Amino acid sequence: LAKTTQPISMDSYEGQEVNITCSHNNIATNDYITWYQQFPSQGPRFIIQGYKTKVTNEVASLFIPADRKSSTLSLPRVSLSDTAVYYCLADPYNQGGKLIFGQGTELSVKP
Amino acid sequence: NAGVTQTPKFQVLKTGQSMTLQCAQDMNHEYMSWYRQDPGMGLRLIHYSVGAGITDQGEVPNGYNVSRSTTEDFPLRLLSAAPSQTSVYFCASSYEEGMVGTEAFFGQGTRLTVV
Repeated sequence: LAKTTQPISMDSYEGQEVNITCSHNNIATNDYITWYQQFPSQGPRFIIQGYKTKVTNEVASLFIPADRKSSTLSLPRVSLSDTAVYYCLADPYNQGGKLIFGQGTELSVKP
Repeated sequence: NAGVTQTPKFQVLKTGQSMTLQCAQDMNHEYMSWYRQDPGMGLRLIHYSVGAGITDQGEVPNGYNVSRSTTEDFPLRLLSAAPSQTSVYFCASSYEEGMVGTEAFFGQGTRLTVV
């Protein structure tokens, strides 16, 4: 079973900041929080990964509080092309790439 | 680099037929894995491998076999296709460097229909 829980869907408008929260009450100490993005008819694509505090790259930010019971993916100023399904995973270090996906959050960006 | 290449992209099988889905990666990654994705669902792990000669079962392994004779290739065999195996299949490869989690790279998928 997936260790994470996310909202099934979210709606937003172009130019807005979108925050997708992921709950993971029982992750292990060697779990990293990793987010993937999937467009229709394509394989998932890695977006960002973190362990604690805040990580930022050219695509998104990831905030993980000290208790690590939840995390938030932040997409700044979304566009129509950000419409996709976003998956939050608890990805254990040293587990051979064995990823367990949940249902993901379907983000719909409207003009 | 081509990344992760899956063939074929589409396949229709009759119930009871067998076939092999091919997956190859050119990134020299240690880890490879197979997932299936049913409509409106997340990906489910079928089998995975941590290196040549080493494979293990994932969440939904029944009806599928794998082998890993080289670092580059990780074929998935359907032994006797059933309509319940109609799905989109994704292959992924990944690596670990230091004390960090993995970044997985996925292929474009194989859309399989069993009639």
